[in-house]
Amino acid sequence: AQKVTQAQTEISVVEKEDVTLDCVYETRDTTYYLFWYKQPPSGELVFLIRRNSFDEQNEISGRYSWNFQKSTSSFNFTITASQVVDSAVYFCALSDSNTGNQFYFGTGTSLTVIP
Amino acid sequence: DARVTQTPRHKVTEMGQEVTMRCQPILGHNTVFWYRQTMMQGLELLAYFRNRAPLDDSGMPKDRFSAEMPDATLATLKIQPSEPRDSAVYFCASGYGRGGHEQFFGPGTRLTVL
Repeated sequence: AQKVTQAQTEISVVEKEDVTLDCVYETRDTTYYLFWYKQPPSGELVFLIRRNSFDEQNEISGRYSWNFQKSTSSFNFTITASQVVDSAVYFCALSDSNTGNQFYFGTGTSLTVIP
Repeated sequence: DARVTQTPRHKVTEMGQEVTMRCQPILGHNTVFWYRQTMMQGLELLAYFRNRAPLDDSGMPKDRFSAEMPDATLATLKIQPSEPRDSAVYFCASGYGRGGHEQFFGPGTRLTVL
């Protein structure tokens, strides 16, 4: 069965600090996809990144970086030099090729960046 | 900039009334999803469609909820009769392909049932 665990419910950091959001997943499939979404206070879910199970390269996009490790079934998200605009709830999600695009979402991590 | 649109954005209604929420997926997307978000349950998948055909609605209370895609540009989620426990934000998302592709979410409909 597929499952996504985001153990950190809430995190608070001071502006300019680095912060890592953890995501651990479970699946029996060898082909699967991992995603991160951001939900700012406005409420809309914004797509951040997609990763497939065959590509373990880390990715960096500006202040955002993602670390995918199949050995530990983790897909962690790091924000470098956090800013107040990063305050949001962040969701990790899993999809596999057998479920027709169906996503399994984690419970989300609420990040507050304090100015 | 293509976006998923949802109407209405906010809806306040009284218990027992019918509620219809509408979604326009991104043009060219062939999968549509309905989610419900509450503080207690988080994001729950209610139903999803591929090429307008319902693939899974097991997350939806069948006695009062129904989801349809009358055409490729419109998806609807109906609650009849509504109950206070249905109060939540309902999101529509669209995507394409058979699996592994990102979903793009609409702004949501905030439903309050009094």
